[in-house]
Amino acid sequence: SQQGEEDPQALSIQEGENATMNCSYKTSINNLQWYRQNSGRGLVHLILIRSNEREKHSGRLRVTLDTSKKSSSLLITASRAADTASYFCATWKTSGSRLTFGEGTQLTVNP
Amino acid sequence: EAQVTQNPRYLITVTGKKLTVTCSQNMNHEYMSWYRQDPGLGLRQIYYSMNVEVTDKGDVPEGYKVSRKEKRNFPLILESPSPNQTSLYFCASSAEAGVSYNEQFFGPGTRLTVL
Repeated sequence: SQQGEEDPQALSIQEGENATMNCSYKTSINNLQWYRQNSGRGLVHLILIRSNEREKHSGRLRVTLDTSKKSSSLLITASRAADTASYFCATWKTSGSRLTFGEGTQLTVNP
Repeated sequence: EAQVTQNPRYLITVTGKKLTVTCSQNMNHEYMSWYRQDPGLGLRQIYYSMNVEVTDKGDVPEGYKVSRKEKRNFPLILESPSPNQTSLYFCASSAEAGVSYNEQFFGPGTRLTVL
């Protein structure tokens, strides 16, 4: 399986609720990044967390990283219908020069 | 406006007919990359380039070629396309090769169908 696996594969919530997506990876990383993709369009970078960081915030986004468990989570607070998209985690390995993406979580926020 | 552009955006072709998908960025980025996106498989890297004249294979390079003669351009070449190369393709770039603390900027995508 790929470096970077998101869980759940799909998530459906109501507007105003929080959405949590998880990502697990296998090898040591330099950093972990989260991207968002609206249907059929290019990916947009959301947030980057380095291997020596445990938590990071950006607006309504909160990312955590647990390197001992090789996992990360993305929390979107007070979700909006416009947050409906696919969310991908991507890892940059310590021994490499490539960004490896997971399969993504499809988030649907119902108005 | 800082951006990554790809052309064409949509392409339907037939098996064996050589094609090129162009990618250009106006941000003076060193690092450029090609991905393909398929349902259930996420994004998989095809080739990447750390700088001009420096390219390397990603996870799924078979059936593809690239070149990096200029910093801004990174075309993807399919010498003899086959139906299993039907996919959504993305070009991406980031600022400094060898510095991983950079976000990647993605193009809008090229939807390729090979009949």
